[in-house]
Amino acid sequence: DGGITQSPKYLFRKEGQNVTLSCEQNLNHDAMYWYRQDPGQGLRLIYYSQIVNDFQKGDIAEGYSVSREKKESFPLTVTSAQKNPTAFYLCASSIRPTNNYGYTFGSGTRLTVV
Amino acid sequence: RKEVEQDPGPFNVPEGATVAFNCTYSNSASQSFFWYRQDCRKEPKLLMSVYSSGNEDGRFTAQLNRASQYISLLIRDSKLSDSATYLCVVPFSGGYNKLIFGAGTRLAVHP
Repeated sequence: DGGITQSPKYLFRKEGQNVTLSCEQNLNHDAMYWYRQDPGQGLRLIYYSQIVNDFQKGDIAEGYSVSREKKESFPLTVTSAQKNPTAFYLCASSIRPTNNYGYTFGSGTRLTVV
Repeated sequence: RKEVEQDPGPFNVPEGATVAFNCTYSNSASQSFFWYRQDCRKEPKLLMSVYSSGNEDGRFTAQLNRASQYISLLIRDSKLSDSATYLCVVPFSGGYNKLIFGAGTRLAVHP
């Protein structure tokens, strides 16, 4: 079955550590996105990529980095510069034009700073 | 004006009730809209797409009012399993194949 897979489901980070969240899709979607959701809050866009080897900052990119070396993969690194990383991270993908089809989401990674 | 705004709720309704949520958007050029459902601690899932004046799928009806720039979601005969947060989603006004999510309206259906 086609889908979008995020791993790990739960991740614990120590202060000062960089961690990488995985996002893989086999839907042949061109566009991929990373969102952050805090408790009781809406989704905030971190980074997005329309095609391989290209990506743009979203609304809250500081302290995060991404790469898009393959169409199927869009990993997110949470760096030590991100001062409040505890949140629910959601990866999404879409076929273009996105406006007609919406997003498919992965099941998310819950990151906690310990 | 925010790109998309929703009443956060919560809406507490008994089983069998009819409930409606509204969502306003600022980009008058938007052509398509979406309603997503998000269960607690889960990912959002696409509930309905709205391209013209509206869409109906069983107990769920989405309506679009372009003149007033709002979208509504109507749920008839509410079930306990409808309890979730409903997200209104509109295209980003700057293009780039990007969607803007509302903060969501929480629905709690009780026996």
